[in-house]
Amino acid sequence: QVQLQESGPGLVKPSETLSLICTVSGGSVSSGAYSWTWLRQPPGKGLEWIGYIQDSGTTDYNPSLKSRVALSVNTSKNQFSLKLSAVSAADTAVYYCARVDGVSLGYLGFLKTWGQGTLVSVSS
Amino acid sequence: DIQMTQSPSSLSASVGDRVTITCRASQSINSYLNWYQHKPGKAPKLLIYVASNLQSGVPSRFSGRGSGTDFSLTISGLQPEDFATYSCQQSYSSPLTFGGGTKVEIK
Repeated sequence: QVQLQESGPGLVKPSETLSLICTVSGGSVSSGAYSWTWLRQPPGKGLEWIGYIQDSGTTDYNPSLKSRVALSVNTSKNQFSLKLSAVSAADTAVYYCARVDGVSLGYLGFLKTWGQGTLVSVSS
Repeated sequence: DIQMTQSPSSLSASVGDRVTITCRASQSINSYLNWYQHKPGKAPKLLIYVASNLQSGVPSRFSGRGSGTDFSLTISGLQPEDFATYSCQQSYSSPLTFGGGTKVEIK
């Protein structure tokens, strides 16, 4: 059974870069059958999709964050990662990684497996 | 972006009740609508995909229906473990977008 676990600093200073890693266990990030995605949920607000990456390196980002986001995959460590630059207090949120299954023509899939989430606060 | 509007934002119900949550998309999304359950400190759980398909392992008291712009999630016979927050998510076009969530609380 695939499991995902987010890791990274819980506190980031304004204007710096937020970096998180998602470690995949029980499956391979380079299987080719899935996409790997990041989402976040600010306190008291709904979920926001950040973007996804495939093991080929193909990415798609939320336009609202595209200028500040970079996703990457490390197949040797079975991990994928998120970098969000120039953070502000508005980026304080619980960040989730997830696996996207079921992608087909016209259907962008469903998030079958999620990590538990990690709270990242932006503060000086 | 496609806007997803859920209602109600919260509800109180008793064990055994039938509960229905609705989700409306700002444009047609075919049947490309998924439902999730969220509990504090736990990984979110996929319940329903493509509007009405029950994810393996999810109890049959959960059901989903709808197409186009209007969708619903029904819990038939609420159980103590069902008190949680539920959200819908469209997979019709990028960026993926979610409803604001519905918190189901104990009456």
